[in-house]
Amino acid sequence: DGGITQSPKYLFRKEGQNVTLSCEQNLNHDAMYWYRQDPGQGLRLIYYSQIVNDFQKGDIAEGYSVSREKKESFPLTVTSAQKNPTAFYLCASSISGDGVTQYFGPGTRLLVL
Amino acid sequence: RKEVEQDPGPFNVPEGATVAFNCTYSNSASQSFFWYRQDCRKEPKLLMSVYSSGNEDGRFTAQLNRASQYISLLIRDSKLSDSATYLCVYSGAGSYQLTFGKGTKLSVIP
Repeated sequence: DGGITQSPKYLFRKEGQNVTLSCEQNLNHDAMYWYRQDPGQGLRLIYYSQIVNDFQKGDIAEGYSVSREKKESFPLTVTSAQKNPTAFYLCASSISGDGVTQYFGPGTRLLVL
Repeated sequence: RKEVEQDPGPFNVPEGATVAFNCTYSNSASQSFFWYRQDCRKEPKLLMSVYSSGNEDGRFTAQLNRASQYISLLIRDSKLSDSATYLCVYSGAGSYQLTFGKGTKLSVIP
């Protein structure tokens, strides 16, 4: 079955710790995205990648980093510089092109201890 | 002005009712429009794309009014399983980025 997987489902971070969220897709999509959702808020774009080895900052990139070494994978690292990391993190992918439908993974909930 | 505005609800309606949601957007260059559905603590899932001519998918009808910069979603014969948050989404011309509204919560009551 084709789809997008994210792991882990829940992640706990200690103060000052970097954590990495995994996102994998087998849809053969060129573009991948990371969003953050806070309670009662819309999704906000963190980073996106249109092609392997290239990525762009979204609206709230500070405190986050990404890599795109493989078409199938787009991991997100939440660094210690992100002062309010508790949120629901969603990864999405789409075929190339603007204005196209994005498909989402099941998400990772990050909690700060 | 917020980029996407939706009535947050909640809309509490009985089974079988017809309910309509509206959404306004500020970017007149917006190109593509969508309604996504998000269940509690789950990821958003595409419900339907929205076309200028309007489109229907079973009990769901979406309309786009570019002149007034709003889109709408009509749900007929509401089912308990329709209970969810409905997200209004658009993308700008030449942009990979989607802009999401905060969503409208619908609760269908037995």
